[in-house]
Amino acid sequence: QVQLVESGGGVVQPGRSLRLSCSASGFTFSSYGMHWVRQAPGKGLEWVAVISYDGNDKYYADSVKGRFIISRDNSKNTLYLQVNSLRAADTAVYYCAKDWGCGSSSCHLLAFASDWGQGTLVTVSS
Amino acid sequence: DIQMTQSPSSLSASVGDRVTITCQASQDIRNYLSWYQQKPGKAPNLLIYDATNLETGVPSRFSGSGSGTDFTFTISSLQPEDIATYFCQQYDNLPRTFGQGTKLEIK
Repeated sequence: QVQLVESGGGVVQPGRSLRLSCSASGFTFSSYGMHWVRQAPGKGLEWVAVISYDGNDKYYADSVKGRFIISRDNSKNTLYLQVNSLRAADTAVYYCAKDWGCGSSSCHLLAFASDWGQGTLVTVSS
Repeated sequence: DIQMTQSPSSLSASVGDRVTITCQASQDIRNYLSWYQQKPGKAPNLLIYDATNLETGVPSRFSGSGSGTDFTFTISSLQPEDIATYFCQQYDNLPRTFGQGTKLEIK
């Protein structure tokens, strides 16, 4: 079964950086795109970024563009999110999620997530 | 960016009730819409994609309809385990965007 385990969250001061990691197992990691989605405390879901199976295509939400970097290491089955210049508004649980990809009769690449990790909390506070 | 507007924001219903949630897109997204269920303290769970297709393993009491800008999510007979917040998400355009969520409670 698909397992996604995020790590790297914590309390960080405004303006500082963190690197979030997501360790994947139970599927062929190198064949799937991967998403990061965040959720501020008590709020809704916000899509953050997505990366293609080979790392060549990356897309970001406007709110994080230029500050966050999504990457992956297929040899380690690991997804990353480098979060820089952190702001209070970045405080959230960060989920990594496996792209749905292709089903029996259709493909939706980098579209929506089929499986999610349990998230890692990033708190930006002085 | 495409704005997704869900209504209502919260809903109280009784076990066995038919429950309907709507999601409206700010522009035509064809049928590129998914629905997620999120239980308290848990990660979201995919229920429906392409507006109407039930994800594997999802109970048949859940269904979706619509295309273009107006979509509906329905639970045909509410069960106690359906207490959760439900989100729609469009994937016609980047960036992907979610609705603000509908919190479903038992009356």
